[in-house]
Amino acid sequence: AQSVTQPDIHITVSEGASLELRCNYSYGATPYLFWYVQSPGQGLQLLLKYFSGDTLVQGIKGFEAEFKRSQSSFNLRKPSVHWSDAAEYFCAVGNDYKLSFGAGTTVTVRA
Amino acid sequence: SQTIHQWPATLVQPVGSPLSLECTVEGTSNPNLYWYRQAAGRGLQLLFYSVGIGQISSEVPQNLSASRPQDRQFILSSKKLLLSDSGFYLCAWSGQGGNTIYFGEGSWLTVV
Repeated sequence: AQSVTQPDIHITVSEGASLELRCNYSYGATPYLFWYVQSPGQGLQLLLKYFSGDTLVQGIKGFEAEFKRSQSSFNLRKPSVHWSDAAEYFCAVGNDYKLSFGAGTTVTVRA
Repeated sequence: SQTIHQWPATLVQPVGSPLSLECTVEGTSNPNLYWYRQAAGRGLQLLFYSVGIGQISSEVPQNLSASRPQDRQFILSSKKLLLSDSGFYLCAWSGQGGNTIYFGEGSWLTVV
């Protein structure tokens, strides 16, 4: 069965500092992997996705993620965080109705 | 480009009252459609998905139902709401054979 683990429930980072959110997955085949962001009271916005090819994926808002098959990980990174990056971030694996989400990581940005 | 809209954005309903949340997708045809629920402090739970008009699959037994009367319209309903139905409901779509799900703005439901 497929599953996603986001080990960090909450991360606090200073504005301008780098950010890394961890995601580990369990999947029986080559995974489709996604990162979504959710601002308070809003829907989920797709940040980036990985299907195949280059394991370093660039997304919107300056985010990138790296797929590491050997570690079953798909960590999200941003070199310099802005206050507007404060949100909840969800990692997901699978596709269509078989998409499994992690529990999410809440990011707080301090001035 | 494709857009997805759902309404109402916020709803406060008494226990035992009916529910209707509506979602429409523009700019694509024959999409897969989904209803998710996000309860407070919890992740996303898939409630229903549909691969075509009148075709509804339920992922969890519950007090809710879904219908797809038109190709790009998806409705979430209940005849009698329970307190436990409170939460944030998200409609979403993906292309046929596509692997990426796109979400609407969400609807807050509070059952009182």
